[in-house]
Amino acid sequence: DTAVSQTPKYLVTQMGNDKSIKCEQNLGHDTMYWYKQDSKKFLKIMFSYNNKELIINETVPNRFSPKSPDKAHLNLHINSLELGDSAVYFCASSQNTWIETQYFGPGTRLLVL
Amino acid sequence: RKEVEQDPGPFNVPEGATVAFNCTYSNSASQSFFWYRQDCRKEPKLLMSVYSSGNEDGRFTAQLNRASQYISLLIRDSKLSDSATYLCVVNEVNGGFKTIFGAGTRLFVKA
Repeated sequence: DTAVSQTPKYLVTQMGNDKSIKCEQNLGHDTMYWYKQDSKKFLKIMFSYNNKELIINETVPNRFSPKSPDKAHLNLHINSLELGDSAVYFCASSQNTWIETQYFGPGTRLLVL
Repeated sequence: RKEVEQDPGPFNVPEGATVAFNCTYSNSASQSFFWYRQDCRKEPKLLMSVYSSGNEDGRFTAQLNRASQYISLLIRDSKLSDSATYLCVVNEVNGGFKTIFGAGTRLFVKA
């Protein structure tokens, strides 16, 4: 069974479109994260939720809006996609807090044309 | 100075070699430290946590030096399957709290 899953795995879309990426974890963890890994392979945290509450919100354009309907899900909605949004987006989860080991999903490869 | 710095490599080593990576961090209030491994086009996976007392897991040894603000990873008897990017991860408290990944060190182990 996949511990942290993301859909879709690949996403190719046009500039200006709105898209969503979904993440689910079946580990019973309280904390979930979104990361962006750009073309230089640099992995940067975007958001973190603990028990459905936002606890980390890095300097990310407000076109990016996370939503956590329950503690097992953390979705990412992106409005008005730009070329620079092309990257791999990873979802992750950890038991309680950010100090714990994080388990990553397989990633969503987003290409904006 | 970057918050977490690693030598990007690549390190090209023959099978059986011993290789060491270092990582420095800038925030002395950093709380916890990890090494993750990332294979090409895959997600990062935890390799090991890093403690001040040092810890060893088979061929892998990790050390933390708080005074000098660096962590290290030693791989002994390298295998072809060790070829990957090794990511240094630091969790820090600075106003709020944050997880910071280093840019990674690429390792190629050759037959």
